[in-house]
Amino acid sequence: GAVVSQHPSWVICKSGTSVKIECRSLDFQATTMFWYRQFPKQSLMLMATSNEGSKATYEQGVEKDKFLINHASLTLSTLTVTSAHPEDSSFYICSALAGVEYNEQFFGPGTRLTVL
Amino acid sequence: AQSVTQLGSHVSVSEGALVLLRCNYSSSVPPYLFWYVQYPNQGLQLLLKYTSAATLVKGINGFEAEFKKSETSFHLTKPSAHMSDAAEYFCAVTGFQKLVFGTGTRLLVSP
Repeated sequence: GAVVSQHPSWVICKSGTSVKIECRSLDFQATTMFWYRQFPKQSLMLMATSNEGSKATYEQGVEKDKFLINHASLTLSTLTVTSAHPEDSSFYICSALAGVEYNEQFFGPGTRLTVL
Repeated sequence: AQSVTQLGSHVSVSEGALVLLRCNYSSSVPPYLFWYVQYPNQGLQLLLKYTSAATLVKGINGFEAEFKKSETSFHLTKPSAHMSDAAEYFCAVTGFQKLVFGTGTRLLVSP
């Protein structure tokens, strides 16, 4: 099956700093990638849809200036959490759209962000 | 709008027992439905998907699900639970280029 990687798998940072998370589709090209946030023992919350070569589409309530998304190539999307604060601590998961017809997505392993 | 409801935040079974995880959907168009499994601190792995080809869908690790339009259900089953099946399971329905997830069901397997 299609493989999606994320880097780093975990990161600890100080409050006020910025953190970049990379999402890569390793064996296929993904024109569309998605970024999700998951709080402990909860479901996935879609943050934004990332389209290669265009601006990301953010879900309602997600601060686009805080969560910067760049999809510069067909295999890489990045999420930058700017001026991170403890409330941004969460598990961030990306996925890549592998099948347009059924909206089949392949998920990365996730990134655990802890902001001190 | 599309949505899914997973009944039961936790399901406990004994090893070797039948696993049944419930999912009901709501969709204004013929749905595409998915079951994903998530192990602790990991991403989601696709177990199986319904894309209207067959109502009984077989997936990985011995799981299967049956699409029942009359009941708007897509329940996940496995005849015999293994300890390694202990994980979080998510049902999802496709919207317009988006996946809408249920709240998840944690499967606990006791020896």
